[in-house]
Amino acid sequence: GAVVSQHPSWVICKSGTSVKIECRSLDFQATTMFWYRQFPKQSLMLMATSNEGSKATYEQGVEKDKFLINHASLTLSTLTVTSAHPEDSSFYICSARDSFLTSGSYEQYFGPGTRLTVT
Amino acid sequence: LAKTTQPISMDSYEGQEVNITCSHNNIATNDYITWYQQFPSQGPRFIIQGYKTKVTNEVASLFIPADRKSSTLSLPRVSLSDTAVYYCLVGSDTGRRALTFGSGTRLQVQP
Repeated sequence: GAVVSQHPSWVICKSGTSVKIECRSLDFQATTMFWYRQFPKQSLMLMATSNEGSKATYEQGVEKDKFLINHASLTLSTLTVTSAHPEDSSFYICSARDSFLTSGSYEQYFGPGTRLTVT
Repeated sequence: LAKTTQPISMDSYEGQEVNITCSHNNIATNDYITWYQQFPSQGPRFIIQGYKTKVTNEVASLFIPADRKSSTLSLPRVSLSDTAVYYCLVGSDTGRRALTFGSGTRLQVQP
């Protein structure tokens, strides 16, 4: 199956600083990527949909000015957590879909996740 | 998007067959049913996907009745490494719409 990578796999930052997380589709082009957040013992919550070349679409309750998403190319989307606070500590997972025409599947591929800890 | 309902947790022993059922009463005509597995601190991993009847791959089977209002993931002869959270998701491929996760089923396999 297709591969989605994330970098870094984990990061620790101080409160008030910003952190950037990268998501790459390694062997396919993704016009749309998705960002999820997962707190311990909870399910994945969709944060936003990242569209190549246009603005991201945020889910209700997600601050777009705090979680900046940039999808500058067909293989890269970035999530920047600005002015991070301890409550932003979470597991962030990106995901992407390949074209059904090329993959023959409706599968949504997930990255390995990034553990963010804000101290 | 169709909402799914799964048992919160299940327990099993090594070598047993495990069946996890998911309810999706308001599934739409174009929706597919997809199951993912997630280990702690990892991204979800695709297990199987189907539209109707039965689908089988090297790791699992997916049974979907004619009304498609539920589905059952069957894991044959589970091992300790199958201990994970299993998510049932329902959605169609619009290309730009994300899958929505329910609460998932936490499977604990014991020796």
